Amino acid sequence: KAGVTQTPRYLIKTRGQQVTLSCSPISGHRSVSWYQQTPGQGLQFLFEYFSETQRNKGNFPGRFSGRQFSNSRSEMNVSTLELGDSALYLCASSFLGLGGGTDTQYFGPGTRLTVL
Amino acid sequence: QKEVEQDPGPLSVPEGAIVSLNCTYSNSAFQYFMWYRQYSRKGPELLMYTYSSGNKEDGRFTAQVDKSSKYISLFIRDSQPSDSATYLCAMRGGNYQLIWGAGTKLIIKP
Repeated sequence: KAGVTQTPRYLIKTRGQQVTLSCSPISGHRSVSWYQQTPGQGLQFLFEYFSETQRNKGNFPGRFSGRQFSNSRSEMNVSTLELGDSALYLCASSFLGLGGGTDTQYFGPGTRLTVL
Repeated sequence: QKEVEQDPGPLSVPEGAIVSLNCTYSNSAFQYFMWYRQYSRKGPELLMYTYSSGNKEDGRFTAQVDKSSKYISLFIRDSQPSDSATYLCAMRGGNYQLIWGAGTKLIIKP
């Protein structure tokens, strides 16, 4: 079974630009979560989508948005990029989005975003 | 203060040593505890999952939860260079959102 895929793997943008990241979950998984990972901060939860609806949202500004399509693929968008947005953006999928444990989250390799 | 505290390391030990990785937390509602392993340039992968208090063993790995002290541990026996990675703890209560530690970078020296 194919794993979670994320595209692109690397991105370099400049301040003020906008970026869109894509995530394809494991077949059959309906929940997709997005995380931001920076050194020393661990994983910061951005949002979670289940059956095309945003079900949970973390404490990030409105510049960060996302959506999920009917095939469960998800995109996240960051507008007006800031230097502090440089991070590894990880996508994780699971069947029900129960937050781990018996409903394991499987992570993609991430998209490394660098903002200059 | 963060809800979950984890020493970022790095923690460097010789091959064959017993490794102890730890997290402390403040929210007494947490019931589900997980350890993830993340290799360089990869996403995290689930290593161990424990519900409530107690120990759980899987091969060379043992996860321990002490809810009275709000403290969880991951022990690695007979550590190998291939265990070199960042280890993240994660936990949650009744809602679905996982709260993560910052991750501990572990280096096993041959």
